[in-house]
Amino acid sequence: SQQGEEDPQALSIQEGENATMNCSYKTSINNLQWYRQNSGRGLVHLILIRSNEREKHSGRLRVTLDTSKKSSSLLITASRAADTASYFCATGRTSGYSTLTFGKGTMLLVSP
Amino acid sequence: EAQVTQNPRYLITVTGKKLTVTCSQNMNHEYMSWYRQDPGLGLRQIYYSMNVEVTDKGDVPEGYKVSRKEKRNFPLILESPSPNQTSLYFCASSLYPGINEQFFGPGTRLTVL
Repeated sequence: SQQGEEDPQALSIQEGENATMNCSYKTSINNLQWYRQNSGRGLVHLILIRSNEREKHSGRLRVTLDTSKKSSSLLITASRAADTASYFCATGRTSGYSTLTFGKGTMLLVSP
Repeated sequence: EAQVTQNPRYLITVTGKKLTVTCSQNMNHEYMSWYRQDPGLGLRQIYYSMNVEVTDKGDVPEGYKVSRKEKRNFPLILESPSPNQTSLYFCASSLYPGINEQFFGPGTRLTVL
């Protein structure tokens, strides 16, 4: 299956700094979603951006989508230790059976 | 509270001993799915179901079975578990998978000895 690919694989920052994670994908999409996973727990949906949108905000989260480059970025501003988690992008396809395809994730560590 | 539940949360078993991991959702979602998560490989879809009695293979279906007799339940069956099925398993549900968010269960950590 065509997976999204997050970059970097791991990111370590200090509290208060911004964290940026990128996602690239291969196929045409209907939407792109970001999820967070705390260690060993279930994924939690953060934000969804549709293919006709370029930017979306939710609290300290900002997501951009560039369909011409088949890429998205997730920015977490003023990070906190509680933001420490793995972050996954997932793409919803436009053709074939409808499902979400997940990337391998970016592991974010925010140090106090 | 809207949720997806899985049981058991932790399971240690031996090779060849049949097991079932249950999954239930209370959101009246038509779509349900099973994933396995392994280090370095991300989430890989095992099976999914678009509705009652409608199931289909995902990316890694070998060694697994599913059934969808009721809308709320989607059990994952390992007829003859093997050590390479040791993994963290997640059930998820959604109103419409490619368009809406998916809700995930808390996970089942399975060890096959």
